[in-house]
Amino acid sequence: QSVLAQPPSASGTPGQRVSISCSGSSSNIGSNTVIWYQQLPGTAPKLLIYRSSQRPSGVPDRFSGSKSGTSASLAISGLQSEDEADYYCAAWDDSLSGVIFGGGTKLTVL
Amino acid sequence: EVQLVESGGGLVQPGGSLRLSCAASGFTFSSHWMHWVRQAPGKGLVWVSRINSDGSSTNYADSVKGRFTISKDNAENTLFLQMNSLRAEDAAVYYCARAVLSTRNSLDIWGQGTMVTVSP
Repeated sequence: QSVLAQPPSASGTPGQRVSISCSGSSSNIGSNTVIWYQQLPGTAPKLLIYRSSQRPSGVPDRFSGSKSGTSASLAISGLQSEDEADYYCAAWDDSLSGVIFGGGTKLTVL
Repeated sequence: EVQLVESGGGLVQPGGSLRLSCAASGFTFSSHWMHWVRQAPGKGLVWVSRINSDGSSTNYADSVKGRFTISKDNAENTLFLQMNSLRAEDAAVYYCARAVLSTRNSLDIWGQGTMVTVSP
């Protein structure tokens, strides 16, 4: 199964704003909404963003998502040490008739 | 409390079979699409399969198609994954996950995962 393209790593200092990109194609991001997950070490993933920009209840508004064409991005403002985690984007792929995930981005808070 | 609890993982030889279960509680299981997602040690998330709310429609990743079968018992609030012809590359932590109501693929509740090891 194909993967969405994410940078393997990202970093920022406390209080900073960081952005993580997710690149796909017309059969996935281009025609479906994007989902973002956060995975802290040793734990199950947590839903951060769905329908490209919607936050579930309980997710701080420091986290925001956007989509344009075949790409999407997750922005984290006011970076905190507890944001250090792996972040994954995902989307339905019409050609594959399946969900595809990005390879994940490891965020380090310096 | 809304909860998913997986079981059934373990050590199996290549070519063997395992049946994973995922017990749901605290929500109306019959209303939600459900998924299995796996993660090999130190690797990323990989989608495995999904099933619709009433169990009548399923989808699979190409890598497991024809070998794995997802099913859902709404009377028992349990999700299953029957895994046959297991290969070394199937070794991973397997998570069951619930899709947000009114969506099909946004997974808001995850189990703790169950480890599957495939080795001679």
